[in-house]
Amino acid sequence: GAVVSQHPSRVICKSGTSVKIECRSLDFQATTMFWYRQFPKQSLMLMATSNEGSKATYEQGVEKDKFLINHASLTLSTLTVTSAHPEDSSFYICSARRGRGDSPLHFGNGTRLTVT
Amino acid sequence: DAKTTQPNSMESNEEEPVHLPCNHSTISGTDYIHWYRQLPSQGPEYVIHGLTSNVNNRMASLAIAEDRKSSTLILHRATLRDAAVYYCILSVRETSGSRLTFGEGTQLTVNP
Repeated sequence: GAVVSQHPSRVICKSGTSVKIECRSLDFQATTMFWYRQFPKQSLMLMATSNEGSKATYEQGVEKDKFLINHASLTLSTLTVTSAHPEDSSFYICSARRGRGDSPLHFGNGTRLTVT
Repeated sequence: DAKTTQPNSMESNEEEPVHLPCNHSTISGTDYIHWYRQLPSQGPEYVIHGLTSNVNNRMASLAIAEDRKSSTLILHRATLRDAAVYYCILSVRETSGSRLTFGEGTQLTVNP
C-alpha cells in the first residue's frame, strides 16, 4: 500500500530556533501534499497545501513566513517552523495524495514538536 | 467548507457490528464522503470513501443515503484495535484536486 514517512517523529528545540520536518512518499509520486497541525484533544487543522514545483497554498490564519513549505520533488515536502515559540508546540502531520482528484490521502505518523 | 456532524462518542462491544453515523446536509453534488480514523499519537488512517453508491472494502462498508445528506460507516465485527477517533469528511473540490478539512470526529470505544 501507499506509505508516507515523516521525520523526525519527535523533536525538542529551544525557543527562537528553526525546525525542519520532512515528509516523503515512499512508493508513489505525490503531486500534492498537505500539512496539518493537531493540538491535544483537538482535531486536525489543515495548515497548507503543498504542490510540487509551485508555491504552497496556506489556509487562512496560517503565517506563510513562519511555516515555510517546500515541495521540491514528487516524493518530498518539507515544513520548516521558523523562530519557534512554545505556542508552536504541537503534533504536525503530513499527508500525500496518490493520484489526482478525490483519491484518498495517505498520512505520515506525525512529528511531535516541543519548544522549550 | 461543507460541514459534517458526528456524535462525540460511541461505544460498542467486541465482535459486534458498529454503525457510525454522519450528517452532511450541505453536501454538494461533487463532494466525496471520506472516512478516516486516528489512533492516539498517530496520523490518520484511510478507511473508505464514496460518492453516491454504497462501498465495501476489507476494513468497512459505507452506506450513503439516497439524498446524500447522511452516511453511515459500518464496521462489521468490532475488535479492540478498532477503538479510535473516526472522522467523516467531505472533500472540497479545488482545481488541483480536493483537500480535506477535519471535523471533531467520533471517539469509538470497544468493550471486551
